[in-house]
Amino acid sequence: GQNIDQPTEMTATEGAIVQINCTYQTSGFNGLFWYQQHAGEAPTFLSYNVLDGLEEKGRFSSFLSRSKGYSYLLLKELQMKDSASYLCAVRDTGTGGFKTIFGAGTRLFVKA
Amino acid sequence: GAGVSQSPSNKVTEKGKDVELRCDPISGHTALYWYRQSLGQGLEFLIYFQGNSAPDKSGLPSDRFSAERTGGSVSTLTIQRTQQEDSAVYLCASSHGQGFYEQYFGPGTRLTVT
Repeated sequence: GQNIDQPTEMTATEGAIVQINCTYQTSGFNGLFWYQQHAGEAPTFLSYNVLDGLEEKGRFSSFLSRSKGYSYLLLKELQMKDSASYLCAVRDTGTGGFKTIFGAGTRLFVKA
Repeated sequence: GAGVSQSPSNKVTEKGKDVELRCDPISGHTALYWYRQSLGQGLEFLIYFQGNSAPDKSGLPSDRFSAERTGGSVSTLTIQRTQQEDSAVYLCASSHGQGFYEQYFGPGTRLTVT
């Protein structure tokens, strides 16, 4: 079956670092995405990993371990505007196509 | 340039009625996706179009749901005989193609079935 797990909520302090974990089980794998979604808005792309290792992009980094079915999103120097939901998504090629399966999202609250 | 657009932004309908939701993808994007998002939940995959290939309909929850994409561009998601559990935000996204390209999302259509 297909399953993507991530924590429901997290709270962190402005200026700090936070790590949001994601574990997945899919019948096929062709990449993992992280999206940011502010309340009432559409998701926007943050990062993509297809090979093991760390991808860094400014304050945001994403890590992937395919053997463990595990990824994390690391947010540094947190700002109040980072308060949002963070969605982990996997491209599942198990059905022969490129269906993208999303997790339920992690709601991050950044406090002053 | 223009992003993904969806219409209507909000739709209130009575149980049992049919609704049509429209998506205009970014020009030149060959892949188009429909998702459903219930309040506080993640995105539920519905259907995926890629170029002229047969769509991946594996996420459609019932035969009341159908979608088409005309001319490789605009897509319409149709829900027949709506039920209250169909109430959700319906999001459309497009991407360059089958590669790793990120998906660009539209603002969504909020459907409320009374």
